[in-house]
Amino acid sequence: GESVGLHLPTLSVQEGDNSIINCAYSNSASDYFIWYKQESGKGPQFIIDIRSNMDKRQGQRVTVLLNKTVKHLSLQIAATQPGDSAVYFCAEAPGYTGGFKTIFGAGTRLFVKA
Amino acid sequence: DVKVTQSSRYLVKRTGEKVFLECVQDMDHENMFWYRQDPGLGLRLIYFSYDVKMKEKGDIPEGYSVSREKKERFSLILESASTNQTSMYLCASSSTSGLKPLYNEQFFGPGTRLTVL
Repeated sequence: GESVGLHLPTLSVQEGDNSIINCAYSNSASDYFIWYKQESGKGPQFIIDIRSNMDKRQGQRVTVLLNKTVKHLSLQIAATQPGDSAVYFCAEAPGYTGGFKTIFGAGTRLFVKA
Repeated sequence: DVKVTQSSRYLVKRTGEKVFLECVQDMDHENMFWYRQDPGLGLRLIYFSYDVKMKEKGDIPEGYSVSREKKERFSLILESASTNQTSMYLCASSSTSGLKPLYNEQFFGPGTRLTVL
């Protein structure tokens, strides 16, 4: 069935290092993917998205990679800062036939050590 | 900036009570969503609405109902609260634009942490 999962529930990195958060998805019909960041006490906030006709997209200090062959998504954060500490969710939109549903993964908690 | 507000940050209710969670967005978005968030389970869709007076069931609608009488407001109703409905409830909205309205980010409110005793 449709599911979005994460390889690691927690990730701890040193300030200044690069972070990589991974995500696996199971629906090969999904054609839109999003990463959200949720800080403590707040709702999720959009970081970056990517469509299935792309394999890489860059934003400010963040890069999303999409590998459709193995149905894998990753979020790379360059020069990780303490403010990056949060839970990160990947999400997929399973195409038009999926209606308006966005399927969220369980989340990865990122700890940044000073 | 888009703003999605929820009526309460924390709520404590007793089993059997009727509970109303209110959500308001100020960006004239067509789509609105209610999720619950539980540790290890991510966000699960309860109901969504793509227009006034329209509603669609999400993945876990049992025990919930919704109301959308105005475009900016989407209410989640627990007819008879139960302890297994203790959770964080998140409201979100998104716009409908272009040929594929699905492809728009959702803007979330801060959440309501509901405890049912």
